[in-house]
Amino acid sequence: ILNVEQSPQSLHVQEGDSTNFTCSFPSSNFYALHWYRWETAKSPEALFVMTLNGDEKKKGRISATLNTKEGYSYLYIKGSQPEDSATYLCAFPNQGGKLIFGQGTELSVKP
Amino acid sequence: NAGVTQTPKFRILKIGQSMTLQCAQDMNHNYMYWYRQDPGMGLKLIYYSVGAGITDKGEVPNGYNVSRSTTEDFPLRLELAAPSQTSVYFCASRTRGGVNEQFFGPGTRLTVL
Repeated sequence: ILNVEQSPQSLHVQEGDSTNFTCSFPSSNFYALHWYRWETAKSPEALFVMTLNGDEKKKGRISATLNTKEGYSYLYIKGSQPEDSATYLCAFPNQGGKLIFGQGTELSVKP
Repeated sequence: NAGVTQTPKFRILKIGQSMTLQCAQDMNHNYMYWYRQDPGMGLKLIYYSVGAGITDKGEVPNGYNVSRSTTEDFPLRLELAAPSQTSVYFCASRTRGGVNEQFFGPGTRLTVL
């Protein structure tokens, strides 16, 4: 059974703070790691799909890094804004065609 | 493209009633998925399909059934609704290949009383 773990489970920061959270995944048979952003009352939307060890992706103030050898990815948000409040999910595709999701990190940014 | 569409948006069922949650996608995606969202538990996979005529169980399939007669449609059937099936249900689809992101529908909020 594949396990994808995210930490912390929730995070409360002030507007302007920078923050980061972690996704841990099995390091064997790796071929991709997905990050999704999930706002309350909406559906999850893909942020990044990462495939290469050492990969770094960026979208505005949000960036992610990948270490496939040790099995972790970090998501960073620089200068958090209230509109960044959401649950951030990572997911690991298995060979059967399924995405194994972590339980998510719920971020709340207070103005 | 409409992307992934789900109907209905909301539904209240009585215990023991049946219903079908509809999901359709117009992106010609091979893979389709049904998830349920439970508080503090993230997304749990109910069933998935890798192509028309092929379906398989996910983590929490009990109490549900699916069919995939066409590439576009992937309905989820609840035969005897139970309060434990109160949840938000998301349908998703993607193209073949693990590097490809999933596209999610807007969700169906189901309450079983």
